Amino acid sequence: AQSVAQPEDQVNVAEGNPLTVKCTYSVSGNPYLFWYVQYPNRGLQFLLKYITGDNLVKGSYGFEAEFNKSQTSFHLKKPSALVSDSALYFCAVKTYLVFGKGTRLSVIA
Amino acid sequence: EAQVTQNPRYLITVTGKKLTVTCSQNMNHEYMSWYRQDPGLGLRQIYYSMNVEVTDKGDVPEGYKVSRKEKRNFPLILESPSPNQTSLYFCASSLLGGLRSPLHFGNGTRLTVT
Repeated sequence: AQSVAQPEDQVNVAEGNPLTVKCTYSVSGNPYLFWYVQYPNRGLQFLLKYITGDNLVKGSYGFEAEFNKSQTSFHLKKPSALVSDSALYFCAVKTYLVFGKGTRLSVIA
Repeated sequence: EAQVTQNPRYLITVTGKKLTVTCSQNMNHEYMSWYRQDPGLGLRQIYYSMNVEVTDKGDVPEGYKVSRKEKRNFPLILESPSPNQTSLYFCASSLLGGLRSPLHFGNGTRLTVT
């Protein structure tokens, strides 16, 4: 069975500090992995994906994610958080199949 | 502008009164899907469609119906809504339904069933 876990319901970070939102996965076959962001009263928006190749994937709004096969992780990162990054973040495996439960990121000014 | 359009954005109804939530995309995507979002449960897939006239159940299909008569439209039908279907619903589409293609989401429909 395929699954994805986001171990933190909430992540708080000060503006300007680096942020990490964690995601681990369990999947048979190729682990196509995605991150989406949801702003209030909006649908989810695609941030980035890992299909194959370089383990460090760069996406929208300065976000990046590192694929780690040995740890089955795909953590979302940003070097310097902005208040406008505050949102709900979802990790997903094989696009439409399985989503994590989401992590609420709050960036404090 | 490429988009997925859901209507209505907000809907309050009573138990047992049939309703339809419409979804339309203008990107010529083959794949379309419906999700519900509930606190603490994340997104759960209700139904999906790989192409016209091809639909299949997701994780939580009970109490819902869908149809895909045209490529661009994928309505969600609740024949007899119940309070446990109170939720935030999202329609999404992607190119080719492939595992590699990102989803494009609508802005959501907040449904309340009393």
